Amino acid sequence: DVKLLESGGGLVQPGGSLRLSCEGSGFTSSSYGMGWVRQAPGKGLEWVSSISASGATPFYADSVKGRFTISRDSSKNMLFLHMNNLTAEDAAVYYCAKVMGIAVRRPFDYWGQGTQVTVSS
Amino acid sequence: DIQMTQSPSSLSASVGDRVTITCRASQGINNYLAWFQQKPGKAPKSLIYDASGLQSGAPSKFSGSGSGTDFTLTISSLQPEDFATYYCQQYDTFPHTFGQGTKLEIK
Repeated sequence: DVKLLESGGGLVQPGGSLRLSCEGSGFTSSSYGMGWVRQAPGKGLEWVSSISASGATPFYADSVKGRFTISRDSSKNMLFLHMNNLTAEDAAVYYCAKVMGIAVRRPFDYWGQGTQVTVSS
Repeated sequence: DIQMTQSPSSLSASVGDRVTITCRASQGINNYLAWFQQKPGKAPKSLIYDASGLQSGAPSKFSGSGSGTDFTLTISSLQPEDFATYYCQQYDTFPHTFGQGTKLEIK
C-alpha cells in the first residue's frame, strides 16, 4: 500500500523558517513526481509546489516562489519543503501528494494526512 | 494562470439522490482534470483523473465527463458517507489550480 507521512510542522514566528518532510512507502519514489498542497483554515485547497521524478525540475505557486524550495531524496523516499520568510498567509495544513506517473502533467493519486503550520508571534 | 470555477458552491441533496457538480476552466486544459473528495479534518481523496478515469479504489458511483473547458462530476445514489466537499483541479499547466470547492450537504 502507498503511504505518505508528513512531519515538521509547528509554530513559527513571522519571518521564520521551517522544513517539512514527507516519507513515502509502498512505491519507488524515483519513478513518480511529488508535490505539496496546502489548506488554510476554513479555505479550499491551494497547490503549492511540485517536483519531477528526477528531482531536476521544480515548480512553484507565485505566492511561494523565492521563499519555498522543494527537494527530494529518492534514495530514502523522502520529499521536503523548505519554507523561509513565513507570513501569516502561509499558515495552513500542508499535504504531501504523490503524482500518478513520471510526467509532471499527471494528477495526484495519493495524499498524506497533512501537517499543520502555524505562523504567529 | 488558469482559473477553475465550480458550481454550485454548495448543494443540498437527499440520500439516494443523483447529483452533478460542474467545473469550468478559463481555457482549454486537454482533459487534464481531476476530482477530489475531502471530509472535515481529513486529507483529500482522489476520485477521477483525465476528466473521466476512475482512480484505483474510488467507488464506481463516481463518474466524470466533459472536455475542453467544461467538466462534470456525477455521484449516483448518494449515501451518508458521500456528503463532503468536492474539488476539481487542472494539471495541464502550472500552477495546477483547484476550483473553490463544492460542499455537498444532507437535505
